[in-house]
Amino acid sequence: EPEVTQTPSHQVTQMGQEVILRCVPISNHLYFYWYRQILGQKVEFLVSFYNNEISEKSEIFDDQFSVERPDGSNFTLKIRSTKLEDSAMYFCASTGVHNEQFFGPGTRLTVL
Amino acid sequence: AQSVTQLGSHVSVSEGALVLLRCNYSSSVPPYLFWYVQYPNQGLQLLLKYTSAATLVKGINGFEAEFKKSETSFHLTKPSAHMSDAAEYFCAVSSRLGGSQGNLIFGKGTKLSVKP
Repeated sequence: EPEVTQTPSHQVTQMGQEVILRCVPISNHLYFYWYRQILGQKVEFLVSFYNNEISEKSEIFDDQFSVERPDGSNFTLKIRSTKLEDSAMYFCASTGVHNEQFFGPGTRLTVL
Repeated sequence: AQSVTQLGSHVSVSEGALVLLRCNYSSSVPPYLFWYVQYPNQGLQLLLKYTSAATLVKGINGFEAEFKKSETSFHLTKPSAHMSDAAEYFCAVSSRLGGSQGNLIFGKGTKLSVKP
């Protein structure tokens, strides 16, 4: 069964460093999403991406964040200068025909 | 704006007992509604979804949910709890009215504990 994959599973970085989180969505899906879940809190939408551009973004997705689909298979989330409060689990998702979002296993980002 | 409210951050049931996890949504138009399950240290797995077809939706692992427009509810039930059902459950609504390809808005989650 096709699935969304994410790498790495755990990323540790120093405050102020750039990180890139990678996702490989399901191959015939067209809509891609990033969500995050701060420990103990609810899952929050960050950004959606369609046809090589951002279709929607939340207030959380400020200038420090960017997304890219560089090669037709990977979907990346970049945080330019990480802050302590960026520590969270980041989930990638992709959407099939009926708005059923399939989630990846997540990347746990720890900012020290 | 759409929103989801899950009543009860923690529900505890005995093995074999009925599971009822409550979810109410806010929307002026019936949206797409979803229940996801998250096991410890894992991602989100779709349990079931409502997409304006049948109001009683059956999902995986014996779970089902009923869409009640008059109550703006989409409660999740399972007749008989199993130890393996212990997890956190999230109700979510699609942000696009009419539900087409919108981002998901999640509730705060309900942690289900199952006692032997």
